[in-house]
Amino acid sequence: AFQLTQSPSSLSASVGDRITITCRASQGISNALAWYQQKPGKSPQLLIHDASILESGVPSRFSGSGSGTDFTLSISSLQPEDFATYYCQQFDNYPLIFGGGTKVEIK
Amino acid sequence: QVQLVQSGAEVKKPGSSVKVSCKASGGTFSSSPVAWVRLAPGQGLEWMGGHIPVVGSTNYAQKFQDRLTITADESATTAYMELSRLRSDDTAIYYCARGCSGGACYRQWGQGTLITVSS
Repeated sequence: AFQLTQSPSSLSASVGDRITITCRASQGISNALAWYQQKPGKSPQLLIHDASILESGVPSRFSGSGSGTDFTLSISSLQPEDFATYYCQQFDNYPLIFGGGTKVEIK
Repeated sequence: QVQLVQSGAEVKKPGSSVKVSCKASGGTFSSSPVAWVRLAPGQGLEWMGGHIPVVGSTNYAQKFQDRLTITADESATTAYMELSRLRSDDTAIYYCARGCSGGACYRQWGQGTLITVSS
């Protein structure tokens, strides 16, 4: 079965740190990948689509890269409002599964 | 800007069914897929299924194949998710989401509907 493996599952970081989250697909999905941020009690918010396109209104400290099977989401300088859970999602084939999530916590 | 508004929280008995609505204002689902995603306690986001009204196409995750129905009304402004034979592990927040036109993403999300399954 197709799998989308996200790592790490959690990380602790400080304000100002650069962090990177990875998402690995078990088969190639071209650039059909999105990244979302979700805070407790809130709906997911789109950050990146088509692997590397920054959604309008999202701060430029967020960036996405990758193609095929390996993708990354980076935050260049972590801000207090960035502490949340992040998910990748593939759109290449059904079911449109999500990665397991990465919870970013304050160190 | 399209906004999605979902119906309210419900408490259901095991074995019963639930139907959640998702109304779009400022746009429709006619050419953009509508999907349903859930977040169970302590779990991650789970894609349940999606529907494209303009082509009448629906896809379901295999685990929900036999008890999930996703539909939209004729105007494609309201989408519905009906889940039958509810179990306690169906307790979750259910979100509708609207697909991006020509892009790999869900751009608009509903506020979420808490469904609690308890005897």
